[in-house]
Amino acid sequence: QVQLVESGGGVVQPGRSLRLSCAASGFTFSSYGMHWVRQAPGKGLEWVAVISHDGTNKYYADSVKGRFTISRDNSKNTLYLEVNSLRAEDTAVYYCAKDQVLTAAGTYFDHWGQGTLATVSS
Amino acid sequence: EIVLTQSPATLSLSPGERATLSCRASQSVSSYLAWYQQKPGQAPRLLIYDASNRATGVPARFSGSGSGTDFTLTITSLEPEDFAVYYCQQRGNWLTFGGGTKVEIK
Repeated sequence: QVQLVESGGGVVQPGRSLRLSCAASGFTFSSYGMHWVRQAPGKGLEWVAVISHDGTNKYYADSVKGRFTISRDNSKNTLYLEVNSLRAEDTAVYYCAKDQVLTAAGTYFDHWGQGTLATVSS
Repeated sequence: EIVLTQSPATLSLSPGERATLSCRASQSVSSYLAWYQQKPGQAPRLLIYDASNRATGVPARFSGSGSGTDFTLTITSLEPEDFAVYYCQQRGNWLTFGGGTKVEIK
């Protein structure tokens, strides 16, 4: 069965960086686009970024463009999110999610990890 | 950016009742709309995609309808496990979510 396991969250000071990881199993990782979606405490869902199945195409929400970088290592079945210049408003649970459609990058999210909490605080 | 507005914000119903949730888009998304269910402390779960298609394993009491700018998620008879927050999401123009509707026990 599909499993997505995020890690790398924690408490970080404003302006610092964090690297989030998502280990995938149970499906052909290299065939699917992958996303990061975040949820601030007590708030709704916000799509953050997507990377195509082969890593050639990457797209970001305006709120994180220029500060966050999505990447993947298909040999390790792992998705990453490098988050830089962190702000208080970046405090959220970060979920990795699998795209529903083979080789697509931007449809729906049919499997989600359990999330990792990143807290930006001095 | 396409804005999705969900209503009502909170729906108070009893088990066995029918739930009707609305999602309105600021411009047409054709049929490119999904619904997700999220329970406290859990990740969202895909229920409906392309406006009316149930995802794998989703009970038949969940149904979706609509196209263009107006969409509806209907739960025909609420089970205890259906009390949760529901989000709509569009893929017609980038990817955005609605603000959510909380279905709570009356």
